[in-house]
Amino acid sequence: DTAVSQTPKYLVTQMGNDKSIKCEQNLGHDTMYWYKQDSKKFLKIMFSYNNKELIINETVPNRFSPKSPDKAHLNLHINSLELGDSAVYFCASSHAGTSGGAQYFGPGTRLLVL
Amino acid sequence: AQSVTQLGSHVSVSEGALVLLRCNYSSSVPPYLFWYVQYPNQGLQLLLKYTTGATLVKGINGFEAEFKKSETSFHLTKPSAHMSDAAEYFCAVSVIRSFGNEKLTFGTGTRLTIIP
Repeated sequence: DTAVSQTPKYLVTQMGNDKSIKCEQNLGHDTMYWYKQDSKKFLKIMFSYNNKELIINETVPNRFSPKSPDKAHLNLHINSLELGDSAVYFCASSHAGTSGGAQYFGPGTRLLVL
Repeated sequence: AQSVTQLGSHVSVSEGALVLLRCNYSSSVPPYLFWYVQYPNQGLQLLLKYTTGATLVKGINGFEAEFKKSETSFHLTKPSAHMSDAAEYFCAVSVIRSFGNEKLTFGTGTRLTIIP
């Protein structure tokens, strides 16, 4: 009965490769997010989607492309991976306008680019 | 734009002692405030949140936090530390603008160590 799930949990890949991370939530929320946590544990939002519509798009390289096929899913595709992309990527979800904006996070995907 | 400052990147307390983790925020409009906990190699778990109303909020695992507007603070406390409280704690602020535009701005985190 996992609320927010991500796959894969670990991802090790070579520079230049393309990879995808998937996220699913079963909380009935209508808004989903991607956050990046760097090696110093700093968390920064990348994207948010509300009802499959892109709402927040922070300063993120074009190599990162989110896609939301429906309200329960938000995927992140990364092209031409670079060493600096190594980080933990967290998916989160919330119900827009309620719960005081509380967001519920997945377990994270640990990406290592070699 | 909103921001969060967590004073003390590392805090150590003895088991059974008071836990106090400090958080100050900056926001031009009334904020929503949150504390999250992250255990090693895990995601973030919501501890508690302040939206409106009572300024003292209680969360899970015996934690509580008090919103003090005059001090722009939202410090996290627990009367008696347990070994299981050892983790990274993040304070976050959100300003609701519109549906879906509810990004959390996080502090840099405080690592809590419990001394047996």
